[in-house]
Amino acid sequence: GAVVSQHPSRVICKSGTSVKIECRSLDFQATTMFWYRQFPKKSLMLMATSNEGSKATYEQGVEKDKFLINHASLTLSTLTVTSAHPEDSSFYICSAQQRGVETQYFGPGTRLLVL
Amino acid sequence: GQQVMQIPQYQHVQEGEDFTTYCNSSTTLSNIQWYKQRPGGHPVFLIQLVKSGEVKKQKRLTFQFGEAKKNSSLHITATQTTDVGTYFCAGDSGGSNYKLTFGKGTLLTVNP
Repeated sequence: GAVVSQHPSRVICKSGTSVKIECRSLDFQATTMFWYRQFPKKSLMLMATSNEGSKATYEQGVEKDKFLINHASLTLSTLTVTSAHPEDSSFYICSAQQRGVETQYFGPGTRLLVL
Repeated sequence: GQQVMQIPQYQHVQEGEDFTTYCNSSTTLSNIQWYKQRPGGHPVFLIQLVKSGEVKKQKRLTFQFGEAKKNSSLHITATQTTDVGTYFCAGDSGGSNYKLTFGKGTLLTVNP
């Protein structure tokens, strides 16, 4: 149980284009989803927290107009990297959490490469 | 804001040796969680510690939560090559959002 999927697993895009990443909880309802970014051999950096039906809460230094997050249902959250630049290349991981349960279940991640 | 420090950053051991990683929070935690990330993979939940002074075991892994609920450790006895990966601690300071602050992780490599 508690499976989280992420799509796509890898994406290469041109600079200036937008990329959408989907995060789905497959067998539970995720009232909260988190989006992290991870640089090679580094820790996870929380980008934003999204609660179903509410606007996402962004961490300091994360541009909300660049990283658009939508959590329209209890099983789906999306992260859209708008007008991507090479410095946005990274490993993006989502995690999902059930109401009242403190454990976060992570998706497999999406490797983004912006050329 | 809350900070979680984790040491060491890297640890290389011979198979069969023990391994320990330590985690310290700048603030008192509601709970602490440990995750393992295999090379190229994503973090996988290992355990959660909630009580002051709590000790939990999972086979060769022993997890401790300090009395002040500000530090924690993960100890692996007799490491195996399958233990290779990065071990992260993540502290939850409480509140309704259960936001986790991750340590930088300890990368464990095991020489067979």
